[in-house]
Amino acid sequence: QVQLQESGPGLVKPSETLSLTCTVSGDSVNSDTFYWSWIRQSPGRGLEWIGYIYYTGRTSYNPSLKSRVTISLDTSKNQFSLNLRFVTAADTAIYYCARDLGDPTFDYWGQGTLVTVSS
Amino acid sequence: QSALTQPASVSGSPGQSITMSCAGTRSDVGNYNLVSWYQQHPGKAPKLMIYEVTKRPSGVSDRFSGSKSGNTASLTISGLQAEDEADYYCCSYAGTETFGVFGTGTKVTVL
Repeated sequence: QVQLQESGPGLVKPSETLSLTCTVSGDSVNSDTFYWSWIRQSPGRGLEWIGYIYYTGRTSYNPSLKSRVTISLDTSKNQFSLNLRFVTAADTAIYYCARDLGDPTFDYWGQGTLVTVSS
Repeated sequence: QSALTQPASVSGSPGQSITMSCAGTRSDVGNYNLVSWYQQHPGKAPKLMIYEVTKRPSGVSDRFSGSKSGNTASLTISGLQAEDEADYYCCSYAGTETFGVFGTGTKVTVL
């Protein structure tokens, strides 16, 4: 059974960096079959795809966030991570990690973690 | 890239069939057979219900079906049940640059 679990701070100050980690069990982030994505959800913006990483380290980001986002892989811990720089209140959202078939079809999701941007 | 357009709400009585739409453009829904649908209950993560327009993942009820015509995709729920009351989101591939764009979401109410 594939499971994903997000972890990281629930509160980030404006202009700082939001950092989250997704721990995967039941599958390997080193698999050549799947991509690993971050998605967020806020009342004002709905669901928004942030970006993905492939086992080779290749990444793709939402053009609207590209200048502030980095997604990385840690195969030794079977994890992938999200860094979002220079956050504002508009980045307040529930952040999900998800397994992605690459077209995009998100077949397994983490439970989500609420990140609030506030001083 | 704008979000795909979905009706804010759809309702039906138990046993009925309902259909909700997901309107896109020639740059996303109309150009690729890569539309997926997600069900989300309050406080829970979205759950994949349909992918590649018409395919159902293992374990998803066959009461759920998907289709597409032109720039608009649709999700039909037949034999509506109380447990189907949830929010539903569509998602479409939108090219290598934008990758995935979600719909605005439809709240399904079982009367």
